[in-house]
Amino acid sequence: DAGITQSPRHKVTETGTPVTLRCHQTENHRYMYWYRQDPGHGLRLIHYSYGVKDTDKGEVSDGYSVSRSKTEDFLLTLESATSSQTSVYFCAISEQTNTGELFFGEGSRLTVL
Amino acid sequence: RKEVEQDPGPFNVPEGATVAFNCTYSNSASQSFFWYRQDCRKEPKLLMSVYSSGNEDGRFTAQLNRASQYISLLIRDSKLSDSATYLCVVNTNGQNFVFGPGTRLSVLP
Repeated sequence: DAGITQSPRHKVTETGTPVTLRCHQTENHRYMYWYRQDPGHGLRLIHYSYGVKDTDKGEVSDGYSVSRSKTEDFLLTLESATSSQTSVYFCAISEQTNTGELFFGEGSRLTVL
Repeated sequence: RKEVEQDPGPFNVPEGATVAFNCTYSNSASQSFFWYRQDCRKEPKLLMSVYSSGNEDGRFTAQLNRASQYISLLIRDSKLSDSATYLCVVNTNGQNFVFGPGTRLSVLP
């Protein structure tokens, strides 16, 4: 299995508090992604990165920011969490996008009360 | 209209059955296509890529029809272990992977 870990794996927080999810990889892959998964919607892209300090928005980026200061770490921040951000968040990595092989972390389950 | 759509499911089939999943995509510029599998409360994993000429991997066959913007996955001789959600994935701009909502399969003994 690809070396990719997410932390925390579970978090319960209150509306209005900041939250940071961390994705750490040991594969030295260039591309990193943050997705959220909700019933009826499937996986939706929040932000992705194609290199250190190179990031771009995905389909559902409002309310989220990301940073990638090192190849191995990709952070997702919710500046002020809302109940609509309750979801399961998956980080994924890829070396070559044309192969289609994304390796996913185990997911982080976030509940915003 | 969603960029990638799939049969809503769920599909409940007996062991040994053949089952087919359909997927359509809206962006004609899409470049590459894949099927992923996701077990309950687990992360998605690549099942197979989908090539223009169609491709097979054991009991699994994938087909692509670019003219109709349609992708299919056929599973023959279903096993209990095939029970999962199957995700259709399309890559349009080389960097962004768009996932369909998934079709859940339950193979029954």
